[in-house]
Amino acid sequence: EVVLTQSPGTLPLSPGERATLSCRASQSVSSTYLAWYQQKPGQAPRLLIYGASNRATGIPDRFSGSGSGTDFTLTISRLEPEDFALYYCQHYGSSPPITFGQGTRLEIK
Amino acid sequence: EVQLLESGGGLVQPGGFLRLSCAASGFTFSNHAMSWVRQAPGKGLEWVSAISGSGGSTYYADSVRGRFTISRDNSKNTLYLEINSLRAEDTAVYYCAKSLSSHDYVWGSYRSFDYWGQGTLVTVSS
Repeated sequence: EVVLTQSPGTLPLSPGERATLSCRASQSVSSTYLAWYQQKPGQAPRLLIYGASNRATGIPDRFSGSGSGTDFTLTISRLEPEDFALYYCQHYGSSPPITFGQGTRLEIK
Repeated sequence: EVQLLESGGGLVQPGGFLRLSCAASGFTFSNHAMSWVRQAPGKGLEWVSAISGSGGSTYYADSVRGRFTISRDNSKNTLYLEINSLRAEDTAVYYCAKSLSSHDYVWGSYRSFDYWGQGTLVTVSS
């Protein structure tokens, strides 16, 4: 099982700033198996990035993903007010289980 | 427009049974693997179960294997999750989720969840 560890747990930033969220895997994984989701209170998660660096349909280009091996990053270039939310990384690979990180809360500073 | 609509949640006593449904529309349902993901109150996301597009292959998290059964009826565009011997720790919002990839096989590259339902709350309490 691939264990994903996200950091930081909480990230206080201001609108307009750059956000960098980290996801570390317990073993090296293919980048094609790594995704990022955004979740707002009372809502279902929304796919942002798949295959580590591919933006999902309708996702603004201020969101970008990068990384390989065990270290992956979600970057939000300039924070908009609607970006303050919970973010999860996911490993969905070649066999079960599918795993999620514990989440990073992006909050307004 | 892709839509996933869960139903069937509610309050149930420990040891009880529930059957959750997820009605899908806006895409060719049989072409996509589907999963159930749950989220306990104030907690993170936990994958529960997955099923191939044809329904011929099913997979479960260790925490639910033997108590949960996933199935689908492609003629009705509906996904199901039967939950037996409910425990307090099963209390959660249960989401159905669609695989991004249009492959029957559940596993492989670029399989993330591109659409999620709004969730149905299961509360296990006496």
